[in-house]
Amino acid sequence: QQQVKQSPQSLIVQKGGISIINCAYENTAFDYFPWYQQFPGKGPALLIAIRPDVSEKKEGRFTISFNKSAKQFSLHIMDSQPGDSATYFCAAYSGGGADGLTFGKGTHLIIQP
Amino acid sequence: DAGVIQSPRHEVTEMGQEVTLRCKPISGHNSLFWYRQTMMRGLELLIYFNNNVPIDDSGMPEDRFSAKMPNASFSTLKIQPSEPRDSAVYFCASSRRHGGQYFGPGTRLTVT
Repeated sequence: QQQVKQSPQSLIVQKGGISIINCAYENTAFDYFPWYQQFPGKGPALLIAIRPDVSEKKEGRFTISFNKSAKQFSLHIMDSQPGDSATYFCAAYSGGGADGLTFGKGTHLIIQP
Repeated sequence: DAGVIQSPRHEVTEMGQEVTLRCKPISGHNSLFWYRQTMMRGLELLIYFNNNVPIDDSGMPEDRFSAKMPNASFSTLKIQPSEPRDSAVYFCASSRRHGGQYFGPGTRLTVT
């Protein structure tokens, strides 16, 4: 049973455009929603995270939008750059990150120059 | 500030051999996680520890896999005997309570 559904599986965006990746979850016990960025041959790196008491969090060109009632959250990459090309994973945790660990299947993002 | 350290970075072994993967978490982190990543199955949680105690090992594929955390700064994942289908990248990650996980660089395991 997949508890976090991520879409799309792959995404191609032109340089300067906005990349949007979506995730949906079922378990209302989840209380921490991070995004990870993974480059080939590297481990996933924590990119940005949000808790359900806020609807949006922005760090530089990266923004998480969170809709608690719809149980959905998304990652927006503004002014997408070729260096952003990577695989992105959403995740949802409960218990402060130590329990109920679930990752989405990942989105392979390609930014075309 | 050192991140999560994993060794070896690459391991090639023959079917039936024992394989031991090692992890040193970030100092001060009290949770440690072992993951396996393959193209087919994506990122799978194998087992995690809180304060050196195994909490959930339901992701461990079978009895051939075992993990230990003898102290707060060291953990091992052992596969005995190894099989070709165990070939994957194995990641270790650590976190503080109420924080995100920080991944190591991974160990690429090839079982021939």
